[in-house]
Amino acid sequence: NAGVMQNPRHLVRRRGQEARLRCSPMKGHSHVYWYRQLPEEGLKFMVYLQKENIIDESGMPKERFSAEFPKEGPSILRIQQVVRGDSAAYFCASSPPDQAASGANVLTFGAGSRLTVL
Amino acid sequence: SQQGEEDPQALSIQEGENATMNCSYKTSINNLQWYRQNSGRGLVHLILIRSNEREKHSGRLRVTLDTSKKSSSLLITASRAADTASYFCATVLRDDKIIFGKGTRLHILP
Repeated sequence: NAGVMQNPRHLVRRRGQEARLRCSPMKGHSHVYWYRQLPEEGLKFMVYLQKENIIDESGMPKERFSAEFPKEGPSILRIQQVVRGDSAAYFCASSPPDQAASGANVLTFGAGSRLTVL
Repeated sequence: SQQGEEDPQALSIQEGENATMNCSYKTSINNLQWYRQNSGRGLVHLILIRSNEREKHSGRLRVTLDTSKKSSSLLITASRAADTASYFCATVLRDDKIIFGKGTRLHILP
């Protein structure tokens, strides 16, 4: 069981380029959360997805940011036209369907993707 | 805005002492969890306490929850150098959204 896999681990982009971050949840997990963390700070909620469904995206900026979790393949967090302020660590976490149903979501985190915008 | 706020922001104690961290939150919750993060890594789940529970133990960890005060505490007993990390409380809201606080940076001195 490989756990939650995030790639790339490090990504460098110039202003105006696109960043695409991928997250493969643990086997059997159906729910994915994305968080953003600035140095020495906590995790800021961005979006919560189920397969083919965005459940809550209230933490995600309305422009330039999008997320998906298709029926097949990893969840993708996409940032278009990146700016310096997008530089951060982006963490993905997953939880299984039975926990979500019981309200006892325990998250398993990936190692994060560190985005640097030059 | 952040749902949870931990305090203190940073804590340094001698090895062997107990470490206590507190978390306050704003809205009703399903449960509250504590996570640990070693520098530059993903978070690791430590313990979960449901909204109808008042205290929970796991090894050297003790968690309390006071829903009337909307607060929780995490106690780590007999601290070790390996406990040096950041600790975050996470509140699971009624809609399954999970919100993290800003964390307490714990440093165990040898």
